[in-house]
Formats: sequence, C-alpha cells, structure tokens
Amino acid sequence: DAKTTQPTSMDCAEGRAANLPCNHSTISGNEYVYWYRQIHSQGPQYIIHGLKNNETNEMASLIITEDRKSSTLILPHATLRDTAVYYCIVSYNDMRFGAGTRLTVKP
Amino acid sequence: AAGVIQSPRHLIKEKRETATLKCYPIPRHDTVYWYQQGPGQDPQFLISFYEKMQSDKGSIPDRFSAQQFSDYHSELNMSSLELGDSALYFCASSLVRGPQGIATNEKLFFGSGTQLSVL
Repeated sequence: DAKTTQPTSMDCAEGRAANLPCNHSTISGNEYVYWYRQIHSQGPQYIIHGLKNNETNEMASLIITEDRKSSTLILPHATLRDTAVYYCIVSYNDMRFGAGTRLTVKP
Repeated sequence: AAGVIQSPRHLIKEKRETATLKCYPIPRHDTVYWYQQGPGQDPQFLISFYEKMQSDKGSIPDRFSAQQFSDYHSELNMSSLELGDSALYFCASSLVRGPQGIATNEKLFFGSGTQLSVL
C-alpha cells in the first residue's frame, strides 16, 4: 500500500507560487517527510525534508500539518525550470518512491 | 563538490547476457542505494548497503545481485538479462549516521544514472 497520495498533475503560472499537496495519513512518529523532484530523466534531486515543524530552504518551503497527516511543498516563485515530477516520500530508513505529481510551469 | 558517479552512462546488451553497473558514492557517505526506473515509471527501490552490509532489500530480482566494496563503491550485477530489464538505473548515496554513529536524516544524492538497453 502506498504511504503517500499526491495529485497526478498540476499546472502553475510562471512567477506564481506552486503549492503541491501530499497526504500521508498513516505516517509513523519517527518517519520524516521528504520531497524530491525529477527533471526529465535526470537523477532525482533532494528538495527539503521535515519531521514536525515547517521548514524552509533556498529551494522551497515545507508545511506539515499539526497531526502530520498531510504536507504541502511550496515553490514560492515557480520558473519554467521547475517543471518536473515531484515526489513526496515518508521514510525512516525506507526511501521508496511512489507516484509523484507532474508539475508543469507555464509562461 | 564531488557527486555520485555512475558508469557506464549507456549500456547495450542482448537477452541472456550479463551486465555490471558501477557506482561511486560521495566521499564519506556511508550508505548506497540502487533504483530501477522503467520507461514512464517511477523509480523503484532495489537494494541498499550501509557500511558495506546489505541494509534493505526491495523489488530486486533474484537474477540481480549487488555488493559494496571496501572503498565504498558499489556494483549491481545483472545476469540472464531480459527485455524488461531495459531501464534507467540510478545509484544514490547518503550519510545516514553522523559523528558518534548517531542516525541522521536520509538526504539522498543521486547519480546521473545508467541507461541499460536489452535487445
């Protein structure tokens, strides 16, 4: 059974914020929420991760609900180069990819 | 900064042949992961090694084997190749345990992959 559920695809206008949701209602207490993205056929790229608190780095922000059953990845100012498949992964020594969200940033 | 290096970038084999893929992790990383990604599919976890010992096993066929050597590089050996083995194979590395052996977070760094084509 998949640990996470994400929309199959999303569109976003260039320059606007892209908000990518992820449901992980069966997350365990020691499992982290990770986000990766894969541009075309390149190796997946780490974006951000968190346990309970919201996190921000130079690439994105991660908002985790208080019950930890869902999270949102925010790309504050999407560019055309952010077009990729985004993967939300719940893991503690168990890094499995599920079906991600194909984000298309449009001019 | 040094990244994960995979070789070869492309490999063409015929059915029933064998193939060996190599992965050189980022220096001082203690864990190596192998993933298989078929056309139009998501990466599927095959196997991982922590400090040269197998640490986790996913959907790796019995025809495949892997190991991590004393210099931390890893090899994925694939025998009796089938058409369905045609895929991108990614290796990733991470530093799972930091100083004093304390477990840290699994931030994976991926290589560029090996494209295997079985004809």
